[in-house]
Amino acid sequence: QVQLVQSGAEVQRPGASVKVSCKTSGYTFTANYLHWVRQAPGQGPEWLGWINPNIGATVYGQQFQGRVSITVDTSLRSTFMELRSLRSDDTAVYYCAREGLDGTVPLDHWGQGTLVTVSS
Amino acid sequence: DIQMTQSPSSLSASVGDRVTITCRASQNIHTYLHWYQQKPGKAPNLLIFGASNLQTGVPSRFSGSGSGTDFTLTITSLQPEDFATYYCQHSYSAPRTFGQGTKLE
Repeated sequence: QVQLVQSGAEVQRPGASVKVSCKTSGYTFTANYLHWVRQAPGQGPEWLGWINPNIGATVYGQQFQGRVSITVDTSLRSTFMELRSLRSDDTAVYYCAREGLDGTVPLDHWGQGTLVTVSS
Repeated sequence: DIQMTQSPSSLSASVGDRVTITCRASQNIHTYLHWYQQKPGKAPNLLIFGASNLQTGVPSRFSGSGSGTDFTLTITSLQPEDFATYYCQHSYSAPRTFGQGTKLE
């Protein structure tokens, strides 16, 4: 079955960077786009961006441009999300999610989430 | 950016009730609209994709309808496990924005 397993919780200082990993299994890795979504405490989900694992092409939300990088390592069947210049309002649970192959491209499988806490 | 507006933000209901949640897009998104259920401490779970298609394994008491800018999620005969927060999301373009959520309690 399809699984996305993320790395563990992180605590970072303001101004630092964080890199979260997401290891996939159970499907052809290069067949589906992978997305990253975050959710601040008590808030709705916020989309960060996506990557095409086949060619490494990315699209990011405008508010994260210049601060976020999404990459893949096909040999590891993994995607990585790095967020730089962390601020306290970056404290959130970060999720990876697989885009389905239906023409309307929903997010059909999600990782378990990684809590990133930004605190001095 | 396309804005997604859900209503109501919270909804009080009882087991066995029929409930409807609405989601409005700020521009035409055709049927590029999905519904997710989220329980505390868990990732969102896909319920409905393409506005009206039931994801595999989701009970048939869940249904979705709409196209263009106005969409609804309906749950018939609420079960105890349905008390959760529900989000809509569009996939028409980037950024793939979510609604602010509807907490069913």
